[in-house]
Amino acid sequence: AQSVTQPDIHITVSEGASLELRCNYSYGATPYLFWYVQSPGQGLQLLLKYFSGDTLVQGIKGFEAEFKRSQSSFNLRKPSVHWSDAAEYFCAVGPNTNAGKSTFGDGTTLTVKP
Amino acid sequence: GAVVSQHPSRVICKSGTSVKIECRSLDFQATTMFWYRQFPKKSLMLMATSNEGSKATYEQGVEKDKFLINHASLTLSTLTVTSAHPEDSSFYICSARRTANEQFFGPGTRLTVL
Repeated sequence: AQSVTQPDIHITVSEGASLELRCNYSYGATPYLFWYVQSPGQGLQLLLKYFSGDTLVQGIKGFEAEFKRSQSSFNLRKPSVHWSDAAEYFCAVGPNTNAGKSTFGDGTTLTVKP
Repeated sequence: GAVVSQHPSRVICKSGTSVKIECRSLDFQATTMFWYRQFPKKSLMLMATSNEGSKATYEQGVEKDKFLINHASLTLSTLTVTSAHPEDSSFYICSARRTANEQFFGPGTRLTVL
């Protein structure tokens, strides 16, 4: 069975500081990994995804994530956080043949201090 | 990017009534759409897979007679919550699959059952 763990329920960073959100997964085959962002009362927006190739993936809004197979991790990073980045972040893992069968983590709430 | 809309964005109904939520892919055809439920501060739970022209596939524990899904065209899927009760109050999100490993989310519908 596939599963995703986001160890940090809530993270607070100062504007301009760097950010790392952790994601660990369990999956029986080659994982397809995703990071989504959700603003309050909104749907999910895809930040980036990893299917194969370069393990450092660049996404939108200045985010990047690194796939580390040995650690079963796919951590999200941003060098300098903006106040508008405050939101809920979800990591997901799924098969390459059916996007809808992705399993989502419980999310990490990001608060940005001025 | 691909756009998926949901209507209504918010709905309040009385207990015992039925509510229909629409999910539309605006700029691509989607033979498959997905319906999720999200509780406060919780991850997304896949309820069912909606297939154009055929019956929906429900996840374990989801009552098919309670949550009726119809996918009548390549751009529209509807979720009808029948005989709604307060415990059905939630945030319902749909997504549309553009390719096998790519889904785009709608903005969500907040359902409140009084």
